[in-house]
Amino acid sequence: ILNVEQSPQSLHVQEGDSTNFTCSFPSSNFYALHWYRWETAKSPEALFVMTLNGDEKKKGRISATLNTKEGYSYLYIKGSQPEDSATYLCAFVGFAGTYKYIFGTGTRLKVLA
Amino acid sequence: DVKVTQSSRYLVKRTGEKVFLECVQDMDHENMFWYRQDPGLGLRLIYFSYDVKMKEKGDIPEGYSVSREKKERFSLILESASTNQTSMYLCASSHRGPSSYEQYFGPGTRLTVT
Repeated sequence: ILNVEQSPQSLHVQEGDSTNFTCSFPSSNFYALHWYRWETAKSPEALFVMTLNGDEKKKGRISATLNTKEGYSYLYIKGSQPEDSATYLCAFVGFAGTYKYIFGTGTRLKVLA
Repeated sequence: DVKVTQSSRYLVKRTGEKVFLECVQDMDHENMFWYRQDPGLGLRLIYFSYDVKMKEKGDIPEGYSVSREKKERFSLILESASTNQTSMYLCASSHRGPSSYEQYFGPGTRLTVT
C-alpha cells in the first residue's frame, strides 16, 4: 500500500516566524512530487512541481527541497504572514505501468498576527 | 485565466438516486481527474482520464463511473447514491505528462446523500 504522510498535521506560528513541514513518500517508482496550497473556501493551487533528486524550488518566501532516494520533501516558509494561513498538500506521482496520484492529508498552517 | 468549473457547489440527493457531477475546463488539458476529500483522509483519486473516451481507475472507483465524450468535459456518475458517498468532490485538469504539469482544481461540489 502506497502511503504519503505529512507532518505536522497542524501548526500555529507567530507572524514573522519561519517554519517548515515534511512530506514523506514511497522512494520507489517515483515520477514527480507536487506541492499545493489550499486556502479555505478556495481551490487548491499549485506551488511547485519537483521531479529530480536534489531539486530546490523557490517562490517568494516559500521554498521546497526534494530527496527521492530517501523519500521526503520539505516545504519552508520564511517570515510567515497571516496570508500564508492555509493547508499545504503534497502529492506523490508514481509510475509502475500506470500512474498513481497520492495526496497527503496536508499540514494546516495558521499564522497569528 | 485558467479555469476549471464544476456544475454545483452544493448538492443534496436521496439514497438510490443517480447523480451526475459535471466538470469543464477551458485550458485544452488532456488529463482530467475526480477526487473526493474527507476529513483526515486527504484527497483520494476516484478516476482520471488522459484523453477523450479514455479512463483509468484511481484508488476508490467503487460505486462511481465516469464519462469523457469531449476533451473539455469530465463527468462523475454515482449510479445509486449512498450515504457513504457524502463528501466534497473536486475535479482537476492538467496537461499530459504528470511529471511536468501541475493540476488545476475546480471549486468543489459538496454532496450530501440523505
